[in-house]
Amino acid sequence: QLQLQESGPGLVKPSETLSLTCTVSGGSISSRSYPWGWIRQPPGKGLEWIGSIYYSGDTYYNPSLKSRVTISVDTSKNQFSLKLSSVIAADTAVYYCATGTNRKFDYWGQGTLVIVSS
Amino acid sequence: DIQMTQSPSSVSASVGDRVTITCRASQGISSWLAWYQQKPGKAPKFLMHAASSLQSGVPSRFSGSGSGTDFTLTISSLQPEDFATYYCQQANSFPWTFGQGTKVEIK
Repeated sequence: QLQLQESGPGLVKPSETLSLTCTVSGGSISSRSYPWGWIRQPPGKGLEWIGSIYYSGDTYYNPSLKSRVTISVDTSKNQFSLKLSSVIAADTAVYYCATGTNRKFDYWGQGTLVIVSS
Repeated sequence: DIQMTQSPSSVSASVGDRVTITCRASQGISSWLAWYQQKPGKAPKFLMHAASSLQSGVPSRFSGSGSGTDFTLTISSLQPEDFATYYCQQANSFPWTFGQGTKVEIK
C-alpha cells in the first residue's frame, strides 16, 4: 500500500518560490509506471490539478501555471517535488501529492497548507 | 481545457435517501471520468474510475454511469458517513480538470 507525505514550508513570501517534496513509502517510485502528480485546493474552494510527471520523465503541467511550475523526481530518495515560482496570494492553498494508475488518483498525501504572505 | 460542471452545487438529504449528482463535460471525454469524496480537513478519497468502475472497498450503494459528456454518481441509500463533498475529474486530455464539487449535507 503506497503512502505519500508532503513536506515543505508552510509560509512563503510573495514573489518567492514555493518548494514542496512528496515522500513515497510502501513502494519504489522508480518501479512503478504511475504518474506522480500535484493538486492544490485554495481554502474553501475546489481542486486544481497542477501537473504530473511520468517515470519516463515526461511532464505535463496545467497551462494556467506552466510558466511557473517544475515537477521532478528523485529516485534515490523515493521522492518527487514541486516548485512554483513567483508566488502570489492566490497561490495560497492546501497542496496534495497524489498518484495512481489509469489516469486517476488512487493515493493521496494528507495535504500541506501553504500560505503566501509577507 | 475541458470544463467539468457539476450539479447541484449542494444537496440536502436525509439518511436513507437516494442522491444523484451530475457531472457534465464541455466536450466528449469517452469514459475517462473519476469520482472522489472529500470530508472536511481530509484529502480526497478515490471512489471510482472509468465512469462506473468502483474502487475496491467502496460500498456498493455508490454507483456511476455515463459516457461522452454526461455522467452521474448515485448513492442509493445515503448513510451518515456519506455526508461530504464529491468531485468529478476528467482524464481524457491534459490539463486534467475537476468539477467544482457537490456538497451533500444533512437535511
